[in-house]
Amino acid sequence: SAVISQKPSRDICQRGTSLTIQCQVDSQVTMMFWYRQQPGQSLTLIATANQGSEATYESGFVIDKFPISRPNLTFSTLTVSNMSPEDSSIYLCSVRGGPNEQFFGPGTRLTVL
Amino acid sequence: EDKVVQSPLSLVVHEGDTVTLNCSYEVTNFRSLLWYKQEKKAPTFLFMLTSSGIEKKSGRLSSILDKKELFSILNITATQTGDSAIYLCAPKNSGNTPLVFGKGTRLSVIA
Repeated sequence: SAVISQKPSRDICQRGTSLTIQCQVDSQVTMMFWYRQQPGQSLTLIATANQGSEATYESGFVIDKFPISRPNLTFSTLTVSNMSPEDSSIYLCSVRGGPNEQFFGPGTRLTVL
Repeated sequence: EDKVVQSPLSLVVHEGDTVTLNCSYEVTNFRSLLWYKQEKKAPTFLFMLTSSGIEKKSGRLSSILDKKELFSILNITATQTGDSAIYLCAPKNSGNTPLVFGKGTRLSVIA
């Protein structure tokens, strides 16, 4: 299984600011995924980040709001831009561990005031 | 469009009770179904099911898949307060697409 770390683990931010979340994996992986979990809701996929290409965003998510970088096979960042209280969520990065496995990082709990 | 429906959405039981959590799905090119437990932030992997009728067990937890009726159940026997969590199911298709999760069942086990 992959070991995934995320930074920060939590943050409290003011509206209108931006936060960049980092995800580091202990092995090289082709596909990394970013999910959001709003309070009381299930996990919603934001985008798929492949190294060497632009991220693929799901319906309802746009690059201007959630820019993603994937500079190499072990690292990715997700930025939450121009934050509002509605962006308060847990943000999780995830990687494929095999054809039928998917592992999650420890998550970043974001609160926007 | 892929669909995942979990029931019940929430459940409160006493320690020692047995619970059954349900997950029904509609997925194109179904390959497997995964169950996760989410206590704080990160979901942790419980089971992966690929074949109908073959029960997977891990301690007091067990799960089974019915590919004909398109559902899976997760059983927890002799529940403990440490079982309190959100349980998520996610069917997986045969492509490279990421997991799509149900809304989860929030289980609360009270002493």
